[in-house]
This record gives sequence, C-alpha cells and structure tokens, in this order.
Amino acid sequence: ETGVTQTPRHLVMGMTNKKSLKCEQHLGHNAMYWYKQSAKKPLELMFVYSLEERVENNSVPSRFSPECPNSSHLFLHLHTLQPEDSALYLCASSQGGQKNTEAFFGQGTRLTVV
Amino acid sequence: LAKTTQPISMDSYEGQEVNITCSHNNIATNDYITWYQQFPSQGPRFIIQGYKTKVTNEVASLFIPADRKSSTLSLPRVSLSDTAVYYCLVGLGGSYIPTFGRGTSLIVHP
Repeated sequence: ETGVTQTPRHLVMGMTNKKSLKCEQHLGHNAMYWYKQSAKKPLELMFVYSLEERVENNSVPSRFSPECPNSSHLFLHLHTLQPEDSALYLCASSQGGQKNTEAFFGQGTRLTVV
Repeated sequence: LAKTTQPISMDSYEGQEVNITCSHNNIATNDYITWYQQFPSQGPRFIIQGYKTKVTNEVASLFIPADRKSSTLSLPRVSLSDTAVYYCLVGLGGSYIPTFGRGTSLIVHP
C-alpha cells in the first residue's frame, strides 16, 4: 500500500467508448503525475500537475484529457482511443519543492482497447 | 534533467550480492540520486536515495563516489523475489519530475 490508489485496476474499452481513470493520494502531496507504460517499454511521462496546475504535457494526443480537481485527486479521461493506446497507466504523487523528494506510485490501470 | 546510463540486463543467483551501476556524467550540484524497483504490471517502488558517499537502508546500499558521476546500487544476498527492473533517476530536487529510462532488468536464478 503506497498511499496512491488507482481505479479501476483493469479496463477494457472499445474505440468509441468514453471512460475515465481515477487516482487518489492520501499522502498530502502537491504534485501528481500520469505515466504510460507499453509492453517492454520505459515509463512515458504524460502529464504533470503541481498545486493543481498542469505544468507539463509531453505532446500527448488530445484523446487523453487530464483533470486535477484538487491536490488529492487526478483523473485521466479517455475517448476514441486506438488499440495502440493499450498499456499500463500509472499515477504517481510527490511533494514538490523538496530536494530529496520521492515519487509514490499507484498499482496502475491495465487498459485494453479493442 | 541529467541523463543516466545503466546496463540493460543482469543475471544473478540466489544468495549473491548484486551491484548495479548507473552513470550520470552531467549530474547537477542540487541533484539527488534515486533508485526505484518495478515488478511486472506494478508501479515502481522507491528503494533508496542519496546525495553523496554511502547510504544504507534495510533493503539496499547506495554508493556514490566523490565526483558523483556514477552510483552503484548494491543488493545483498538477492532472492528470486528481487527479480525486477531497477531504475536510476537523477533530477533537480526542487522541481523534480521523475523521468525514467529503460532501467536494468535483473533476473535472479535459483
């Protein structure tokens, strides 16, 4: 138990569906992240939120839409995805502004697009 | 962010000590060195972090030479459950955004 909870753990969706991934952290952190990990590939940073403001967006397609309503919650809204978007989506949080900060990760959502 | 270089894979046997070295030639003065462990289909898990010399916790040791251009993660007496991917990260602490490379895939054999 890392203090970062992701739901659902598994998701199968069609290309025309709309779904959302949810992340919640109980650590009092002020920064949250979305990562994508495809099979046998490194983690790809998708979005960064610091103090509920988006600070980085690594050229992610618009079919992925993040939302950070408060410092404890982060969502990733999905629509009209492609099969190549099937991957493990990981959420993480950390305390920004500290020199020795570390990131805590959730267990991830295994997404399959059919 | 400082670029890191690690071996792609390593093999070991149960009970052996494993040392994984990471090169980070352009590490900045304020950068800390952090190691994570990741099992398949799980999120990475923090192992250890250091700035200089040696750091030890209940899981591993981290050795950092004086020039800080490399670091070595040492896992004592590995077991099969230590089979995982190990990532070395460096970054400016104040605006740290964890960016992962390919990591080192460690396989521990019986």
